[in-house]
Amino acid sequence: DVQMTQSPSTLSASVGDRVTISCRASQSVSDWVAWYQQKPGKAPKLLMSKASSLANGVPSRFSGSESGTEFTLTISSLQPDDFATYYCQQYNNYPGTFGQGTKVEIK
Amino acid sequence: EVQLLESGGGLAQPGGSLRLSCAASGFTFDRYAMGWVRQAPGKALSWVSSITFSGGAAYYAVSVKGRFTISRDNSQNTLDLQMNSLSVDDTAVYYCAKVPEGYSSSSFFDQWGQGTLVTVSS
Repeated sequence: DVQMTQSPSTLSASVGDRVTISCRASQSVSDWVAWYQQKPGKAPKLLMSKASSLANGVPSRFSGSESGTEFTLTISSLQPDDFATYYCQQYNNYPGTFGQGTKVEIK
Repeated sequence: EVQLLESGGGLAQPGGSLRLSCAASGFTFDRYAMGWVRQAPGKALSWVSSITFSGGAAYYAVSVKGRFTISRDNSQNTLDLQMNSLSVDDTAVYYCAKVPEGYSSSSFFDQWGQGTLVTVSS
């Protein structure tokens, strides 16, 4: 299986901060990577697919990028609603594997 | 509005069985692949199983293959997951999820249900 390694596992930040979350694939997955946001007790919500394509209704402060097997989720200016756990997922190969998650908490 | 409503979770004994169901509405169900993703308490998301839009092909995580069976009834807009030979490691919230239009069953998920908790314990 393709391993997706996220870093950091926890990130402390303040409202207005620029936040970057990384996800490294153990092998090439092209740009077939999705990002999700999950709040406690809630279902995951799709943020973007194909590494950088924003899902409908997702604010433009969220962006994604790719460099080889390294994928990055950036929040340009952290808002109170953004404190959550974020997961990457590769869907180039079966099974579609998820990263272990990055919790963004209030500093 | 897309809605996915899971049911059937609860407490099961090790070695026991449960059947989860997902009632779908707000979209043309038989045009989309569907899947199940689970999340053990305090852990990351983990893909369990997916099925093509027609139900003609199904795929499973190694950890559940041979024990779980995914199925769908396109006339009733429902997705099921029959879980047999349950172990404590199957304890998790199980999410029903929809694959976007035009994507195969090996894909990401654009809509998720609220989840149903399965607890396996003696």
